[in-house]
Parts: sequence; C-alpha cells; structure tokens
Amino acid sequence: NAGVTQTPKFQVLKTGQSMTLQCAQDMNHNSMYWYRQDPGMGLRLIYYSASEGTTDKGEVPNGYNVSRLNKREFSLRLESAAPSQTSVYFCASSHGQLSNQPQHFGDGTRLSIL
Amino acid sequence: AQTVTQSQPEMSVQEAETVTLSCTYDTSESDYYLFWYKQPPSRQMILVIRQEAYKQQNATENRFSVNFQKAAKSFSLKISDSQLGDAAMYFCAYRSADTGTASKLTFGTGTRLQVTL
Repeated sequence: NAGVTQTPKFQVLKTGQSMTLQCAQDMNHNSMYWYRQDPGMGLRLIYYSASEGTTDKGEVPNGYNVSRLNKREFSLRLESAAPSQTSVYFCASSHGQLSNQPQHFGDGTRLSIL
Repeated sequence: AQTVTQSQPEMSVQEAETVTLSCTYDTSESDYYLFWYKQPPSRQMILVIRQEAYKQQNATENRFSVNFQKAAKSFSLKISDSQLGDAAMYFCAYRSADTGTASKLTFGTGTRLQVTL
C-alpha cells in the first residue's frame, strides 16, 4: 500500500549544487504535482503534470525543472540550488480528470541549502 | 486566481471539547471543491474531509464536520470531542471543478491546533 513515494526524505546541499527529487505513485493516477511548503505560507504549487507527456508551471516555478518520466514517475530538479529553495517538498498525485477525487501526498523531502 | 485565507495561525482546545477552524476563499467560479487536510508532526498530508460546492448539505466524517456557506465563501471545520491525536496543522484547500485544470489545489496558510488535557 505504498501510494506516493518520495526520495530522499532529507538532503543537505551547498549553494550551486544540483539535485533531483524523485517521486513515484502506484495508484495509476494521471496527474502529478510538486509543492513546496514554507513556514507561514502553506503549500505552493511549483509544477504539475496533468497527464503523461505534459508538464506546466504552477505558482512558483523559477529555479526548478520537472520531468514526467512515465505515468508513475515525476521528478523535480534543482539545477543550481539557492538558499531560498530551502523548504519541504511534497509530491502528490490524483486521477486528474475526475476532479472530485482528492490528491494523495507523499511524505515530503526536507531540503536544506547552505 | 483563487485565494484561500485561514485567519487563525494557532488554536487551542481542551480534550473532549469542540473547536472550529475558519477558512474563507475567493473565487469567481460556481463549481468547485473544498478540502481540509491535516498535517501531524510526521509531515504527512492527510485528507480530513471534502465538500462539493454544488451540494448544500454539509459534509461530515465521524467527529469532523464542515459549515459550508457558499454565498459567504466560508468553509469552517468543526472538530467534536477533540482528542490528543487531533493536534496538527490543518490546511484548507480549494480546487476548481474544471476538469481541464488537472485538479490543482490552492492552499491556505494553515492553522496549528493544540489539544490540551
């Protein structure tokens, strides 16, 4: 009963380093999402993929890239990490077109950039 | 664009008592969905309850219920018989019913609920 799996759970980077956060879901969902969570600001959408083969920018896309590798996997890449990207990152998935269905979240990745 | 506002950064309730968390939202759409998510210290995002805007009846899930006032754009969460395990951050979230929007969620800033003995 895995649901949405994110790796790694914790990571510390130096400014300028690159990093890819991995996300996989086993619920046959069409849509996948990346959010960041900062204190006092709730969750904000970075990028999303409505279906396999498509990706779109969310509210805060600058400094990030994504890849929808296949229906199961959706990765988030930081090409040149900056301290402002220190955050907790959540991946989520949903059926997509069946919008009365909720999003399912992974357990998050705590990323610190020094 | 839609916005979601949670005006109570922190709330406290005694065990076995009832507490209400507030949420207001702004939208020009007539059809949408509203959710409450719970985030305990473990960081998991757990769906608590959801409401379809076209339904007038307020949603209920065991000890959790909502007061949905569509005209006022208000969506409050009531927790009855509070338990220590209810202590968490609670997020209100909005989603358009437009199936072309990939079900994106807009979150409020959260309310931290403390449960005391």
